Amino acid sequence: DTGVSQDPRHKITKRGQNVTFRCDPISEHNRLYWYRQTLGQGPEFLTYFQNEAQLEKSRLLSDRFSAERPKGSFSTLEIQRTEQGDSAMYLCASSLAPQRPGKTQYFGPGTRLLVL
Amino acid sequence: DAKTTQPPSMDCAEGRAANLPCNHSTISGNEYVYWYRQIHSQGPQYIIHGLKNNETNEMASLIITEDRKSSTLILPHATLRDTAVYYCIVRVDRDDKIIFGKGTRLHILP
Repeated sequence: DTGVSQDPRHKITKRGQNVTFRCDPISEHNRLYWYRQTLGQGPEFLTYFQNEAQLEKSRLLSDRFSAERPKGSFSTLEIQRTEQGDSAMYLCASSLAPQRPGKTQYFGPGTRLLVL
Repeated sequence: DAKTTQPPSMDCAEGRAANLPCNHSTISGNEYVYWYRQIHSQGPQYIIHGLKNNETNEMASLIITEDRKSSTLILPHATLRDTAVYYCIVRVDRDDKIIFGKGTRLHILP
């Protein structure tokens, strides 16, 4: 247990439905990251926050995806109008900035999404 | 694209040393070599990192060649719990995101 928690751990939904995932980082960490991982691939960066501010978004993050971190603590990732291609593991990580070598990101267990 | 090349899979007998290679021929002077692993159904876990010198911690050793174009992660006494995908990553210390490749799937055989 790294101290990063994600909820739910598993989600099955029908195509076209909206889903929301939550991530609770390690409490003193000011940076929070979202990644997506499909079968057989390494995790792919989606977006990250420093405190409340969303500082970078990958081009993988389409208009149907939105992430928030309203109070600089937990974060939510919402996917609207889900598609079968959204089926993946969604990973959250947190870190303490500024980054130093070795002050790495700590990952949560992930939320596995299946879109039928 | 990932800046590293790793074999897709490797086997190692339990109790033996597991040596995982990584090529990073385009590494630049300010980039560190990081290793993470991902056990099935879990998030990635940091193992070790280095710049030029060899490094050792409680989990593993990292050997970096003098020209820094390749490295080897060594798990000295592999156990069944070391079965995982191992990712070799190069990044500067200020990088905010981690760029993962496909990694090496390590199977520890009883």
